[in-house]
Amino acid sequence: KQEVTQIPAALSVPEGENLVLNCSFTDSAIYNLQWFRQDPGKGLTSLLLIQSSQREQTSGRLNASLDKSSGRSTLYIAASQPGDSATYLCAVRTGGSYIPTFGRGTSLIVHP
Amino acid sequence: NAGVTQTPKFRILKIGQSMTLQCTQDMNHNYMYWYRQDPGMGLKLIYYSVGAGITDKGEVPNGYNVSRSTTEDFPLRLELAAPSQTSVYFCASSYTGANTEAFFGQGTRLTVV
Repeated sequence: KQEVTQIPAALSVPEGENLVLNCSFTDSAIYNLQWFRQDPGKGLTSLLLIQSSQREQTSGRLNASLDKSSGRSTLYIAASQPGDSATYLCAVRTGGSYIPTFGRGTSLIVHP
Repeated sequence: NAGVTQTPKFRILKIGQSMTLQCTQDMNHNYMYWYRQDPGMGLKLIYYSVGAGITDKGEVPNGYNVSRSTTEDFPLRLELAAPSQTSVYFCASSYTGANTEAFFGQGTRLTVV
């Protein structure tokens, strides 16, 4: 059974810092990994999708990397802003089932 | 494009009442999923479907039922509501394949009192 862990559970940083959020998974036979953002009381917004054959994906200030062999992904946020405050979730789709398995998320607060 | 649409957005139920959470997608996705999200617990899979007429249990199916009569619709039924079913429910859909994203609805916030 795939298990996904996100560290840290919560993070509070001043504006302008570069951040790294971590996601680890136990079964390396994945199809892809997707990072989401969730604002309080809202739904999930997809940020980045990394296919199993890829090493990284970039969108604006966001960069996600994938190391299948070690079962890890990182989400790098450059020059953080208060508007980045949200919960960040990673979801892994494992070979054979295609069903996204989620971590518990990292709650991020960026203060001015 | 509407994407994944869930109704209602909010609902309060009394213990023992029944209700159906509606979910429809217009992307012709074959896979559809129902998750529940409790505070600090991530999303847990309730049921999923790989196509019309095919459904299967996820991690936390007790107290729920689903049906998939069409590709577009995947309703979730609560038969006898219990306080433990107080949660936020998310419906999602996707194609198969490594280059395909999962798309989520905006959620239904359910309170059972």
